[in-house]
Amino acid sequence: EIVLTQSPGTLSLSPGERASLSCRASQTVSKNYLAWYQHKPGQAPRLLIYGASSRATGIPDRFSGSGFGTDFTLTINRLEPGDFAVYYCQQYGKSPWTFGQGTKVEI
Amino acid sequence: QVVLVESGGGLVQPGKSLRLSCAASGFGFNGYGMHWVRQAPGKGLEWVAFVWNDGSKAYYANLVRGRFTIARDNSNNTLYLQMNNLRVDDTAIYYCARDFDGGAPDYWGQGTLVTVSP
Repeated sequence: EIVLTQSPGTLSLSPGERASLSCRASQTVSKNYLAWYQHKPGQAPRLLIYGASSRATGIPDRFSGSGFGTDFTLTINRLEPGDFAVYYCQQYGKSPWTFGQGTKVEI
Repeated sequence: QVVLVESGGGLVQPGKSLRLSCAASGFGFNGYGMHWVRQAPGKGLEWVAFVWNDGSKAYYANLVRGRFTIARDNSNNTLYLQMNNLRVDDTAIYYCARDFDGGAPDYWGQGTLVTVSP
């Protein structure tokens, strides 16, 4: 199965700053089928990005995804208080689909 | 709006079985594939299983293949997860989620907690 490794494990930033989160795959992600999710405690996960760079419905353009092959990045510009959460990447190009271990973005 | 409500979680002993349900509303259920995803205490998200919109094909994570079965009843807009031979490390919140883009869930339920303990 494809292993996704996210870095860093924790990112300590202030509101207004930019966050850059990395997701590296153990093999090429087919068709760039890579998604990013935001997850807050006690809430359902929220799809942010699919197809490596397409924003899901209702996601502000402060969130952007990039990358191809095995290296992908989620960038969050102008961090807002509601953005502090855990972020996961997920590949769905090859079954079994897999998630990364998550990056916590904290204040 | 899209609503997914999981049920059936609880405390169960190792080796026993449990069936989770997910009631869907607010969208054309029979037009979407569906997922189960879990989160163990203090851990990250783990994809568990996926079923096609018509129930004809299913895919499983390596850790659950052969023990778990995903199924659906399109006449009642309900998704199921039959879990057999449960292990302590199956303890988790189990989420059902609607598929988007052929493998990336977009709408998720609030989850149901499964605790496997002697």
